[in-house]
Amino acid sequence: GAVVSQHPSRVICKSGTSVKIECRSLDFQATTMFWYRQFPKQSLMLMATSNEGSKATYEQGVEKDKFLINHASLTLSTLTVTSAHPEDSSFYICSAKPSGEGYGYTFGSGTRLTVV
Amino acid sequence: GEDVEQSLFLSVREGDSSVINCTYTDSSSTYLYWYKQEPGAGLQLLTYIFSNMDMKQDQRLTVLLNKKDKHLSLRIADTQTGDSAIYFCAESMTTDSWGKLQFGAGTQVVVTP
Repeated sequence: GAVVSQHPSRVICKSGTSVKIECRSLDFQATTMFWYRQFPKQSLMLMATSNEGSKATYEQGVEKDKFLINHASLTLSTLTVTSAHPEDSSFYICSAKPSGEGYGYTFGSGTRLTVV
Repeated sequence: GEDVEQSLFLSVREGDSSVINCTYTDSSSTYLYWYKQEPGAGLQLLTYIFSNMDMKQDQRLTVLLNKKDKHLSLRIADTQTGDSAIYFCAESMTTDSWGKLQFGAGTQVVVTP
């Protein structure tokens, strides 16, 4: 159990366009999901905490207008990179945790975004 | 500096044991995690330990926690080539679903035949 599905796994887009990344909890409900960014050979950097039915909480230095987060249901959170630029190219990963003891944070398989 | 620190690289021979070390600074951590990341993939949860435990074993994996020294280790017995990956330790400060994870920089483990 505790599977998180993330799509797409890889996307290439042109500068100035927007890209949406989906994160779904397949077999549990997630009132909270997390979005991370990972640069090559580096650790994960938490970007924002996505809260179902309310606004996301962004970490310091993350532009909320650039990275739009929508958590409209208990199983789906989306991250939209707006007006993408080459410096937004990165590996984006979402995670969620089922409630209760005995579960750890489960991560999606990640999305490799390349902006050209 | 980072709250969670790991050595960056470990080379081990196939069949030997691997030990990956991690130190953390927040004494209020409730859970400590080990994740595995293969190239181009997401993170796979390997195991985790609650802060009131000293040791947890799961098949080839053994986690040791020294709360006094804020030191966490992951031992992989009989290391295989498929264990080559980056291993991240992480801590969280709450058991609630909205708790945040703080990651270390990751340890690159290379298994040689």
